[in-house]
Amino acid sequence: QVQLVESGGGVVQPGRSLRLSCAASGFTFSSYGMHWVRQAPGKGLEWVAIIWYDGSKKYYADSVKGRFTISRDNSKNTLYLQMNSLRAEDTAVYYCTRDVNWNLAYWGQGTLVTVSS
Amino acid sequence: QSALTQPASVSGSPGQSITISCTGTSSDVGGYNYVSWYQQHPGKAPKLMISDVTNRPSGVSNRFSGSKSGNTASLTISGLQAEDEADYYCSSYTSSSTWVFGGGTKLTVL
Repeated sequence: QVQLVESGGGVVQPGRSLRLSCAASGFTFSSYGMHWVRQAPGKGLEWVAIIWYDGSKKYYADSVKGRFTISRDNSKNTLYLQMNSLRAEDTAVYYCTRDVNWNLAYWGQGTLVTVSS
Repeated sequence: QSALTQPASVSGSPGQSITISCTGTSSDVGGYNYVSWYQQHPGKAPKLMISDVTNRPSGVSNRFSGSKSGNTASLTISGLQAEDEADYYCSSYTSSSTWVFGGGTKLTVL
C-alpha cells in the first residue's frame, strides 16, 4: 500500500537551513504530483508547495516563496523540501502528501521542525 | 492566499446530522470542483474524506457527504458517531495553481 515516510526534522536556529526528505513506496512515484503541507503546533493545516510528477512545474505558498525549494528524485522515489532562512513561524509538523487529481489523497506521518535559538 | 472560512466548532449528539461550511471566493471554491475535506484526530495525520466536492474515497463511510453552492462548500456527517469527533479541514485548488485550506472545525460529539 501507499507509504510516505518523512525525515530530516529537528531543532534549527533562525536563519539556518534544513532539508526534509519523504521516502515513497507502494506506488509508481514518478507518475504523481507531490505536495508538502505543514501544521504549526495547535494550529490548522497550511499548504506549502507542489511539484509536478516529472518535476517540470513547482508552485509555492507566498509565506515560503523564495526561501523553500521543493524537488524530487524519481530514481530514488524521494521528495525533498529545502528550507533556507528559517524563521520561528516555520516551526511546524511537515507532511508530504501524494496528489490524486488535485486532491491530497495520501499523507505521511509528518516530521517536526522547530526553529529556535 | 487567504484561508477559506470555516466555523471554529460544531457539535451534535450521536445519531444526529451536522454540516460544516467552507467559504471561499470565485478564485478557489467557486471556480473549481477541486474541493476536498480532511479529518484529523489528535496526534494523527489528516485523512481524505471527500474529494472533488462530492466523491467519497474507497473505505470512507457513506455517512459523509459533500456539496457546493457558489463559493461555499459543505461537509455533512449523518448518523453521528463518537469516532467522528475530530478536526475537519476543507481545501481547494486556486486560480494561482496553489492550494488553500480552511482554518479547521472542531467537531464535538455530545
